[in-house]
Amino acid sequence: AQSVTQLGSHVSVSEGALVLLRCNYSSSVPPYLFWYVQYPNQGLQLLLKYTSAATLVKGINGFEAEFKKSETSFHLTKPSAHMSDAAEYFCVVGRGSTLGRLYFGRGTQLTVWP
Amino acid sequence: AGVSQSPSNKVTEKGKDVELRCDPISGHTALYWYRQSLGQGLEFLIYFQGNSAPDKSGLPSDRFSAERTGGSVSTLTIQRTQQEDSAVYLCASSGQGDSNQPQHFGDGTRLSIL
Repeated sequence: AQSVTQLGSHVSVSEGALVLLRCNYSSSVPPYLFWYVQYPNQGLQLLLKYTSAATLVKGINGFEAEFKKSETSFHLTKPSAHMSDAAEYFCVVGRGSTLGRLYFGRGTQLTVWP
Repeated sequence: AGVSQSPSNKVTEKGKDVELRCDPISGHTALYWYRQSLGQGLEFLIYFQGNSAPDKSGLPSDRFSAERTGGSVSTLTIQRTQQEDSAVYLCASSGQGDSNQPQHFGDGTRLSIL
C-alpha cells in the first residue's frame, strides 16, 4: 500500500530564510515521487520529480528535494524563501508500476513573512 | 494549451444534477479526476487510460459518474447533489498513464451546493 505523510499542515518562514517541507512515504515497491505546488485559485503545478537517476533532485524556482531511501523521506527545501513562494505544497507518490494513480499528501501551506 | 476545465465556478441548489467538463492536453491518453475539499488533500475519484476500463475505485457514491468520449474530453456528473459535494474538482492528464509521468492539472471547477 502507498501512503504519504506531510509533517506540518502549516509552515511559516521569514523572507530569505530556509524553507523545509517534510514528506515521508510508505510504498511496497520503489516509488515514483513528486512535489507539486498550488498557488491560490490555481491548479497544481509540478515542482520536481524523482526519477532514480540522482537522489538530489532540482526543480523549478530554486526548490530541491532529496530522496533518502533509508528514511523513506523526500523533503523539499529552498535555501532562501521569497514572498512568491507562498502557496500550498503537495508531496505525491506513484505506485512504481504502469498504473497511473498517484497518492497525494494532505498538503503543507507555506506562509512567507516580509 | 494545457488542461481546460469548465465551468470555473458552479453554484447550484441541493438535489440538482451537475456536469463538469475536462478537456485534456492533446495526445494525452490518461485522464484523472480529483476532488479537493477545504482543508483536505486531493481525493482521487476516477482514472481513464486509453481504451481500458476506467478505475472508478475513488468515486464516493453511485451519484457520481464519469465518461470520456473519443478518448479525449471527459465529463464528471454528480446527480442529486448534496452539500458535502461542495469542493474544487480538479482534472489532470498525462502522456501515457505510467505513474512516473507527471500529471498536468487544470485550474479546477469550484462547485458550491446551496
